[in-house]
Amino acid sequence: EAGVTQFPSHSVIEKGQTVTLRCDPISGHDNLYWYRRVMGKEIKFLLHFVKESKQDESGMPNNRFLAERTGGTYSTLKVQPAELEDSGVYFCASSQGAGGRADTQYFGPGTRLTVL
Amino acid sequence: KNEVEQSPQNLTAQEGEFITINCSYSVGISALHWLQQHPGGGIVSLFMLSSGKKKHGRLIATINIQEKHSSLHITASHPRDSAVYICAVRNTGNQFYFGTGTSLTVIP
Repeated sequence: EAGVTQFPSHSVIEKGQTVTLRCDPISGHDNLYWYRRVMGKEIKFLLHFVKESKQDESGMPNNRFLAERTGGTYSTLKVQPAELEDSGVYFCASSQGAGGRADTQYFGPGTRLTVL
Repeated sequence: KNEVEQSPQNLTAQEGEFITINCSYSVGISALHWLQQHPGGGIVSLFMLSSGKKKHGRLIATINIQEKHSSLHITASHPRDSAVYICAVRNTGNQFYFGTGTSLTVIP
């Protein structure tokens, strides 16, 4: 079974440009999470989807970040316009979410975003 | 102050040593996760705990809910155990908080 995949693996853009990150969760997983690790800091929660609905977006840093999950399958995270402090590794994770063992999150490999 | 604190930040051990990594948290939780990230690799979930103790191979994870503390133990450590180990908690509001990680190096 395929795990969580993320695209691209690495993106380098200039300040002011737009970047869209994609996450494909494990098939059948209703829960999808976005996280970010800024250099030298701990991983921070960004938001949580249950199917196509945003369950919790309290971690989104500002309105330059827009996450979508149309149809409840893959998700995109768009940063527009990107700023230098947006550089970091963006992780996506998915889980079945039925409680207990099903709450184990499976992480994608991450997208390393560098804003110059 | 971070909601999740790990210690030590860096750890070097000789092959075969018993290793303990500690995690303390300050929020009420519904679950605690131990994660592993190898250099250049993705994050792998090792354990999810809400009480007691779990064992998987040479890895043991314990949690004390009253003391808000968890430990990850590695018995008979091996160089392939070298990785960053991250403690993460899910609070009762389903928000996640992560520790900064413990970088473990096991020397042959």
